[in-house]
Amino acid sequence: NAGVTQTPKFQVLKTGQSMTLQCAQDMNHNSMYWYRQDPGMGLRLIYYSASEGTTDKGEVPNGYNVSRLNKREFSLRLESAAPSQTSVYFCASSSSGSEGPQHFGDGTRLSIL
Amino acid sequence: AQSVTQPDIHITVSEGASLELRCNYSYGATPYLFWYVQSPGQGLQLLLKYFSGDTLVQGIKGFEAEFKRSQSSFNLRKPSVHWSDAAEYFCAVGGTGFQKLVFGTGTRLLVSP
Repeated sequence: NAGVTQTPKFQVLKTGQSMTLQCAQDMNHNSMYWYRQDPGMGLRLIYYSASEGTTDKGEVPNGYNVSRLNKREFSLRLESAAPSQTSVYFCASSSSGSEGPQHFGDGTRLSIL
Repeated sequence: AQSVTQPDIHITVSEGASLELRCNYSYGATPYLFWYVQSPGQGLQLLLKYFSGDTLVQGIKGFEAEFKRSQSSFNLRKPSVHWSDAAEYFCAVGGTGFQKLVFGTGTRLLVSP
């Protein structure tokens, strides 16, 4: 009954450090997404992967890279973290891109000092 | 560009009373509309979605929403609220390419005894 699993749940970084947020789904979904949630701004799409082997930019991709490692896993990398990237990050999945995000992970709360 | 407005930041409803959360959208073509709910510390859960057909859509947990094209609205309703419904609710709009949903800023629902 895992659904979408994100690791880590919390992380504190210093400016300039790098890290990778991990996401895995066990529902055999084709599409996966990364969002960030900031107070008063709703969710904003960073990157998405419509299917295994493809990725595309969303609304706020600058400063991030992604890898669709296989059908299950979709990682988000911050190469040189900046305080503006302090946020809560959510991974989501859906059976296809025509469904919109159906299942979300519980989020990674990231603070950059 | 597409956009979503949720005019109420907070709403307080008595347990057992009816609920209506407002959502207004701007989109140049036929919109695809979604409602999600987020409990504290958790990811979003899809409540319901409208793609086409019947403008009254039934969702999970006893929620429904009505698409009104003339008013550019997609309001969420529930006839009798339970304390467990206290959460934050997000409306989202997309078109072809649901990967690029635009989310509203959310409405926080408080339920009083």
